[in-house]
Amino acid sequence: DAGVTQSPTHLIKTRGQQVTLRCSPKSGHDTVSWYQQALGQGPQFIFQYYEEEERQRGNFPDRFSGHQFPNYSSELNVNALLLGDSALYLCASSLRTGGVNYGYTFGSGTRLTVV
Amino acid sequence: AQTVTQSQPEMSVQEAETVTLSCTYDTSESNYYLFWYKQPPSRQMILVIRQEAYKQQNATENRFSVNFQKAAKSFSLKISDSQLGDTAMYFCAFLIQGAQKLVFGQGTRLTINP
Repeated sequence: DAGVTQSPTHLIKTRGQQVTLRCSPKSGHDTVSWYQQALGQGPQFIFQYYEEEERQRGNFPDRFSGHQFPNYSSELNVNALLLGDSALYLCASSLRTGGVNYGYTFGSGTRLTVV
Repeated sequence: AQTVTQSQPEMSVQEAETVTLSCTYDTSESNYYLFWYKQPPSRQMILVIRQEAYKQQNATENRFSVNFQKAAKSFSLKISDSQLGDTAMYFCAFLIQGAQKLVFGQGTRLTINP
């Protein structure tokens, strides 16, 4: 039973570029959440996708956008990269039942470095 | 706004000792869940233990147990008989029932020494 898979594991981008990160949820899960974890900090919620729609968003600018596909996988896109976007990006999947998310499972993240 | 505070940036104990990690949180909600996650160098967040706020009994998972004090908004993690594999960052997190986001603390770096 595969867990949450994220790709790529590491990425180096230049300031001003755009980046796409990918996440495949755990089998049986239908909801994907994205978190940004700066070095030495706890993860911060970016947004959550369920039924191919953004359901809730954290305090992140519009440069951060996402998408969920019919197979529940998800992408996180960041435009106009800033040095401050350098972080570990974690994907978490869960099963949403009755409006409640159960069993958050995290991937190992994508380490993004902006130079 | 909901916040989670972990006041111990780093802790270090000898193998087989017991260690307690502290966490306090702030919320006006009455129905919520609390979690402790472990993040080893592999970077994956691994759930250690979960507590429902409506349950008075403290959660226990093998060597891991919590001391949940709802009135004080405190949620500490006790690791008994610590092992080298327990070395990791530990994050306390909070989820309001019906909400979609986990709110994490800043983390405690725990080192178990041989």
